[in-house]
Amino acid sequence: QITLKESGPTVVKPTQTLTLTCTVSGISLTTTGVGVGWIRQAPGEALEWLALLSWDGEKRYKPSLRSTCTITADTSRDRVVFTMANLDPFDTGTYYCVLLGPGNGFDVWGQGTMVTVSS
Amino acid sequence: DVLMTQSPSSVSASVGDRVTIACRASQSIGNYLNWYQQKPGKAPKLLIYGASTLQSGVPSRFSGVGSGTDYALIISSLQSEDFATYYCQQSHTLWTFGQGTRVEVK
Repeated sequence: QITLKESGPTVVKPTQTLTLTCTVSGISLTTTGVGVGWIRQAPGEALEWLALLSWDGEKRYKPSLRSTCTITADTSRDRVVFTMANLDPFDTGTYYCVLLGPGNGFDVWGQGTMVTVSS
Repeated sequence: DVLMTQSPSSVSASVGDRVTIACRASQSIGNYLNWYQQKPGKAPKLLIYGASTLQSGVPSRFSGVGSGTDYALIISSLQSEDFATYYCQQSHTLWTFGQGTRVEVK
């Protein structure tokens, strides 16, 4: 069974950098075809894809966030780390770690971690 | 970005009703269209991928149709556990979601 678990701070101050970790179990990040990404959801709002890291090291970002976000892998620990710089209160929301599945949809989701950006 | 527009934004329905949710892409996405169901406080669940293929374990009352820029999710006979918010998502060019459709009790 494949599981994803997010971890990170619950409160971050404006202008600070957010660092979230996704711990992947049940599959290796280096397995052909594996992709792990991040999606967020502001309270009461729609889902927003942020970034994805593929098994071959390819990184893809939402274009409007490319300059502030970074996604990296710690393959020895099967973790994917996501950072977002210069946070704003509008970045408040639940951040989900996701696994790329059939049709390039996301078929496995973490439980999500709530992040509040506030001074 | 490929923009995804869902309609309606909400629908009131009763158990047993047929419910249709539409999704339009700003450009052709070649059936790279996925549907998700989200219940309050929970992570979304993949229902349909490739516009019409049911994810394993998803009841057959759910179906997806469409091509090019226009797609739809159909729930043939709404059940109590289907009251939720549904999102379409394109995976043709990166990934973008629609704004969601809330299916609520009439």
